[in-house]
Amino acid sequence: EAGVAQSPRYKIIEKRQSVAFWCNPISGHATLYWYQQILGQGPKLLIQFQNNGVVDDSQLPKDRFSAERLKGVDSTLKIQPAKLEDSAVYLCASSLGARARNLSYNSPLHFGNGTRLTVT
Amino acid sequence: SQQGEEDPQALSIQEGENATMNCSYKTSINNLQWYRQNSGRGLVHLILIRSNEREKHSGRLRVTLDTSKKSSSLLITASRAADTASYFCAIPMNRDDKIIFGKGTRLHILP
Repeated sequence: EAGVAQSPRYKIIEKRQSVAFWCNPISGHATLYWYQQILGQGPKLLIQFQNNGVVDDSQLPKDRFSAERLKGVDSTLKIQPAKLEDSAVYLCASSLGARARNLSYNSPLHFGNGTRLTVT
Repeated sequence: SQQGEEDPQALSIQEGENATMNCSYKTSINNLQWYRQNSGRGLVHLILIRSNEREKHSGRLRVTLDTSKKSSSLLITASRAADTASYFCAIPMNRDDKIIFGKGTRLHILP
C-alpha cells in the first residue's frame, strides 16, 4: 500500500509569513493526526481528525494555526503568521482508528516523512 | 505534558550488544506502542502490546509490560548499526485513538 504523503519536504520562511503543509493519508484510514516535533523532542499532538471531524485540538495554537480535512481524506495545516518558535518538523500520520474498526485497542499509526519548517 | 517518559534519554552501545530502554506512564491503558525514528524520517511502528499481555516478541525485539508498575521495556538483541535511531513509546489516551508520545531514547550503535 502507498504510504502517507506529505509536501513540501522542506520550507524556509521569514517570521510573520504564512505557510501551508499538505498531507495525503493511506487510503481508507479514518483517523488523521498532525504532530509538531521540535529538534531533540518527541512528537507533540496538534490536532486529530476522525474522518472530517475534529476529535482533539487542545494543543493547537488556534490564534495562528488552522487545519482542515476535506471530505475526510487529504488535510492541510496552516500557520499564519509564523513565529521563530514554530521551527520544527510537522508530521502527518494516519490510522484505521479503533472506533472505526470497533476494536478495544488502538491501531498503529503510519507516518509521513514530515515537513521541516525553518522560520528566520 | 508527556504521558510516557522514556529512560535513558540517550544510549550508546557496541554493535552486537543488547539495548534496553524503558517507558513509564501515568494512567491506565489498554495497550502501549513502540516506534522507531531514523534521522530525518517519520516514525515507524514497531510493536503493540495489549494490557493483558506481559511480553511480546518480534524478530530481535522483545517488549514487556508491567501494568502494576505502569512501565514497559523494549529490548533489542544483537544490535546492528542500522538500529541507530530514536525510540518512542506511545500511550493511547482513550478509545478515540488520541496517541501521546514520550521524549524518546536516542540509541547509537558503535561499530
